[in-house]
Order: sequence, then structure tokens, then C-alpha cells
Amino acid sequence: EVQLLESGGGLAQPGGSLRLSCVASGFTFSNHAMSWVRQAPGEGLEWVSGISGSGGSTYYADSVKGRFTMSRDNSKNTVYLQMNILRADDTAVYYCASTPGGSYEFDYWGQGILVTISS
Amino acid sequence: QLVLTQSPSASASLGASVKLTCTLSSGHSSHAIAWHQQQPEKGPRFLMKLNSDGSHTKGDGIPDRFSGSSSGAERYLTISSLRSEDEADYYCQTWGTGSNWVFGGGTKLTVL
Repeated sequence: EVQLLESGGGLAQPGGSLRLSCVASGFTFSNHAMSWVRQAPGEGLEWVSGISGSGGSTYYADSVKGRFTMSRDNSKNTVYLQMNILRADDTAVYYCASTPGGSYEFDYWGQGILVTISS
Repeated sequence: QLVLTQSPSASASLGASVKLTCTLSSGHSSHAIAWHQQQPEKGPRFLMKLNSDGSHTKGDGIPDRFSGSSSGAERYLTISSLRSEDEADYYCQTWGTGSNWVFGGGTKLTVL
């Protein structure tokens, strides 16, 4: 059974930092690209960041470019999202999602973790 | 620019069928998309990948009541024999050059 489990969310101040983690199980992790997708309260889904299976390529939405960094440790089946210079509009539930090798759809999702940015 | 357009809301009666639409922006009518379901207070769930020719591959455990079809730039999700648990938000998703992923605004389905 595929599982994606996010952690590391919580409350941070504007201008502060948080690091999210997502541990994967149930599939060959290094064969899958991974992404972070967020959902602000009452809003739709927004893709935030993606990383290739090897970790050699990363991609970011314009809204987070230069502030967020995505990485992965294939020995730990884990992806990370380092979030710096946080803003109030980064407040959202953050989901990690997997993408099967050779394709681009999100085939599995985590349960999500809440990030709140407030002073 | 790659954009997906969805109607904000739809409704249908228990036991009936409903067809949701996702429209690809001009110049992108050959793109495959994915459909995702998000039930209230839950994370999204992958329903299917839908190609431009209407062929589709469903996610694990997705019942036969869910099917997909395509026509030009339109991508459809049909849900038959509606159940109360089908009341959810439905999102289409695709991907562009430079590995940028795009979501539609979502359709809130109400089962009457």
C-alpha cells in the first residue's frame, strides 16, 4: 500500500522558516518524481514545487521561487520543502504527491499538513 | 499560457449521472490531464489520467462508475449512479513545458 506522510507544519511568523518532510512507502521511491501542492483556506489546489526521481532537477512555481527549496533523500524515501521568508499568503495545507516514472499526473497524495503564517 | 477551466459548481440527483468538464486553453488541445477528487476535509485522490483520444487509466480502487472522455480541448469526467459520497470537489490537472504543473479551479459537485 502506498503511503505518503507529511510532517513539520505548524505556526511560523512572517519572514520566518519551516521545513516540511514527506516520507514515502509502498513504491520504488527513486523511480518517482515528487511534488508539493498547497491549498489555501477555502481555495483550490496550487502546485508549489517538484523534483525529479534522482533529485537532479527541481521546479518551482513563480510564487515561491527564490524562497522555497525542495530536496530529497532517496536512502530515506523522503522529500523535503525548506520554506524561507514566509508570508501570510503561504498559509495553506501542504500536500506531497507522487508522479509515476515517465508520466506527469499525481497518482498518490499525502493527507496534508497545515502551515500557518501569522504574527 | 496553459490554463484549465472548470465550472465552479454542478449538481445532480442521487442515482443519476453527471458529466464534469475541463477545458484546455487554446493551443493545448492535445494535452493529457488527470482528474482528482477531494471529499470534504480530506486530501485529494487520483481518479484517472485522461488522454486526448479519450483513453484513460484509473487509479487504485476507482470504481467503474467513474469514466473519462475527450473531445477537442474538452476533457470530461462522468460519474454514474451517483452516491452521497461522490459529493466532493473535482479538480483537473495537467503539465506544461519546464515541468510546470497546472490545476483547474475545481468543480464543487452537490448530490441532491
